[in-house]
Amino acid sequence: AQKVTQAQTEISVVEKEDVTLDCVYETRDTTYYLFWYKQPPSGELVFLIRRNSFDEQNEISGRYSWNFQKSTSSFNFTITASQVVDSAVYFCALSFPGYSSASKIIFGSGTRLSIRP
Amino acid sequence: DGGITQSPKYLFRKEGQNVTLSCEQNLNHDAMYWYRQDPGQGLRLIYYSQIVNDFQKGDIAEGYSVSREKKESFPLTVTSAQKNPTAFYLCASSKGGVYNEQFFGPGTRLTVL
Repeated sequence: AQKVTQAQTEISVVEKEDVTLDCVYETRDTTYYLFWYKQPPSGELVFLIRRNSFDEQNEISGRYSWNFQKSTSSFNFTITASQVVDSAVYFCALSFPGYSSASKIIFGSGTRLSIRP
Repeated sequence: DGGITQSPKYLFRKEGQNVTLSCEQNLNHDAMYWYRQDPGQGLRLIYYSQIVNDFQKGDIAEGYSVSREKKESFPLTVTSAQKNPTAFYLCASSKGGVYNEQFFGPGTRLTVL
């Protein structure tokens, strides 16, 4: 069965601290895609990154970095030098071919990140 | 500007009434989706559509209905058969396929009194 687990329900850190959001996934498919989305208080989810199952290279984008490890089925997200504007709910998601050509995507339950000034 | 619009942002309805949530996109995306989000939970898929005049049930389709008569529009009707309709509803679209990211609208918060 496919599953995405974000064990950290809420995280609160002081501004400028580094913070890592964990994501563990389960799938039997060899081809799959992992995503991170940000949901600010306004409610609209914003796409952050996509990673396919054949590409284990880590990625850095400014203060954001992602660590994909197939050996541990994890796709963790680190924010360096956090800022108040990073406060949001972050979702990890897994997409896989499924049983039809339709797009199947499963979201984790999300991690609420609060950055204190 | 390209994007997804949902209206209204807040909606109140009496129990037993059907209500339709609007979703429009001008991104020329083939695929559109409806999700439900409850407090402290992730997104659960209600319905999705890969092309016009075709749609499939997601994980929690009971008590909901959709139509896809135009590529740009994918309205969701919450019927009186939905036992617990109060939730935050998000519409999304994508180019289709499992590898493409989804673009989300601002959501509609439905409260049934």
